[in-house]
Amino acid sequence: LAKTTQPISMDSYEGQEVNITCSHNNIATNDYITWYQQFPSQGPRFIIQGYKTKVTNEVASLFIPADRKSSTLSLPRVSLSDTAVYYCLVGDGPQLSPTYKYIFGTGTRLKVLA
Amino acid sequence: GAGVSQTPSNKVTEKGKYVELRCDPISGHTALYWYRQSLGQGPEFLIYFQGTGAADDSGLPNDRFFAVRPEGSVSTLKIQRTERGDSAVYLCASSLIHKGTSYNEQFFGPGTRLTVL
Repeated sequence: LAKTTQPISMDSYEGQEVNITCSHNNIATNDYITWYQQFPSQGPRFIIQGYKTKVTNEVASLFIPADRKSSTLSLPRVSLSDTAVYYCLVGDGPQLSPTYKYIFGTGTRLKVLA
Repeated sequence: GAGVSQTPSNKVTEKGKYVELRCDPISGHTALYWYRQSLGQGPEFLIYFQGTGAADDSGLPNDRFFAVRPEGSVSTLKIQRTERGDSAVYLCASSLIHKGTSYNEQFFGPGTRLTVL
């Protein structure tokens, strides 16, 4: 059973870089690591996904060490609008099985302060 | 619209009643997922459809919950004899493919907030 562990909450100030680390010790060889963002009263929204090393898009970077047992989401220069819950996600279940599904954890509540 | 839509956005019902929640996925997405989210918790997987068939319904809490997707597009989550503990936000998501080893982004709808009095 693939599980993830994240800090429950984090505070930051506007303009700072925020790094949120997720542990996934039992990640399977072919699993991808995905991060979602969720604002109140909205469904989660995809941020970034990666398999190894580093992935960067227009909103975030994802760092994955060689052993892939953890990953770090990096948000550069956060603003008040980045206040949200961030979820780290890995697959769960036998590969290529109909039972394969994603398991959300409790997420990290990021609060950006002025 | 381009995104996943869910109706109704809010549903208030009385204990013991039957409710139906609807999800319209993104056109062309073959995979559809239902999740339930309680206050302060992450989404909890309920059921996954690949096309018309329920490939995995292991997350459904009991036999009061049932979901269908008869034509491989719109899906309906049905809850019989609702209980107060069923109160939550029910989220639907769709994706283009579902492979355990592939890049697979799930697009979520805004959810239906169900309140059972």
